[in-house]
Amino acid sequence: DSGVTQTPKHLITATGQRVTLRCSPRSGDLSVYWYQQSLDQGLQFLIQYYNGEERAKGNILERFSAQQFPDLHSELNLSSLELGDSALYFCASSVGGAAGNTIYFGEGSWLTVV
Amino acid sequence: GEDVEQSLFLSVREGDSSVINCTYTDSSSTYLYWYKQEPGAGLQLLTYIFSNMDMKQDQRLTVLLNKKDKHLSLRIADTQTGDSAIYFCAEIPMNRDDKIIFGKGTRLHILP
Repeated sequence: DSGVTQTPKHLITATGQRVTLRCSPRSGDLSVYWYQQSLDQGLQFLIQYYNGEERAKGNILERFSAQQFPDLHSELNLSSLELGDSALYFCASSVGGAAGNTIYFGEGSWLTVV
Repeated sequence: GEDVEQSLFLSVREGDSSVINCTYTDSSSTYLYWYKQEPGAGLQLLTYIFSNMDMKQDQRLTVLLNKKDKHLSLRIADTQTGDSAIYFCAEIPMNRDDKIIFGKGTRLHILP
């Protein structure tokens, strides 16, 4: 158990809909990362937050947004969903930035868009 | 640019050594990682190596880094069925210490 909790574990939704994925980082970790894992693209970095502020942005679509709350949990919002958004979405956390710190991954949220 | 390449599949007989290879493009990378993903699970950090090291050993795992060729390898000695998983190579570029760049993963299959 990495200590990173993600909900829901599985989600099936229709195209055009909006979903919210939730992540609770390990106790004491200030950084939260979101990654998308698909068969053809591998693991793609989406976005990172540090202590409530956005720190880095990767290949995140404009239809997607995220935030980190004062209690350090984070949410990833996916809207106007398309079939190609079906993937495994990972949240990860670390004490500080990525360099020099161990990054712990949650078990992921499986999103299926039908 | 930032890119990490790995072969997609590797089959090894139980008890043999497994060697998983990875190449990366950013010569300024500071940290290089190996993660393991078992079916239905998240990524688990196996080991990492600083860019100023050539080798790191941790029990059955040996990491070799060739900076000149930008080549990283993970050797698993005495491979067991429990080692069956996807192994991801990853790097942190010097100028982007806020994210990790992952390869697409190597699926290790253990033959009886």
